[in-house]
Amino acid sequence: DGGITQSPKYLFRKEGQNVTLSCEQNLNHDAMYWYRQDPGQGLRLIYYSQIVNDFQKGDIAEGYSVSREKKESFPLTVTSAQKNPTAFYLCASSMDTVSNEQYFGPGTRLTVT
Amino acid sequence: LAKTTQPISMDSYEGQEVNITCSHNNIATNDYITWYQQFPSQGPRFIIQGYKTKVTNEVASLFIPADRKSSTLSLPRVSLSDTAVYYCLVVPTSGTYKYIFGTGTRLKVLA
Repeated sequence: DGGITQSPKYLFRKEGQNVTLSCEQNLNHDAMYWYRQDPGQGLRLIYYSQIVNDFQKGDIAEGYSVSREKKESFPLTVTSAQKNPTAFYLCASSMDTVSNEQYFGPGTRLTVT
Repeated sequence: LAKTTQPISMDSYEGQEVNITCSHNNIATNDYITWYQQFPSQGPRFIIQGYKTKVTNEVASLFIPADRKSSTLSLPRVSLSDTAVYYCLVVPTSGTYKYIFGTGTRLKVLA
C-alpha cells in the first residue's frame, strides 16, 4: 500500500532534549511538508521541501530543523530551542508544491514535560 | 493569499444534507478552492477541489458562484461518521507554495 508513515504515534520527552520525528512516504512524491497542530486550532506550516536536498522555512520554523537526504524521507527535529514543543505533528506529501492534493500521515503526538 | 472565513461549528442530524459555506473575498484568478476533512487525532484528508461552477465526486459537491468570492461544500445524507472538522483552503496554482489551514468548521452529526 502506498502512503505516508510517521513514527512513533506518541512520544514523550523531557524538557531540554532534542527529539526527531520520522516521516516516510512511498508515493514517489517530490514535495514534503511538516505541520504543527495545537488543540482546537488549524495546521501551521513548519518546513517544506520541494525536492531532495532542498527545504524552506514555513511560518513557524524557529526551534525546528529538517533534512531531505532522500526523496522518501523528511525527518523533523524538535530542538530544545522550541519554547512550546508539545503538539500534534503532521507530515504530508504531494506530487509537487503546486499540486492541490496533499496526503497526510497519521501524525505524532509529542509531549514534553 | 486569500483569507477564508467559515462557520466555527455546525450540528446536523443523520440523513440530512449539510452545506458549509466558505467566503474568500480576495481569491485570485489562478486560485483553486480545496476542502479537507479531519477526524480527531488524524491527518486531514482531501475531499474535493474546484475552480468554478459545480464539482461533484463520490463524497461531496462543491458549488462556486461566478464571482468566486465564496464556495459551498455540500455533504449529502450525512452519517455519524461524517463528524469531523472541515477546512476550506484557497490554493494558488503558481508562485510560492503556501497552504493556510484556518480553524475550520466543526461538524457534529447527531443521531
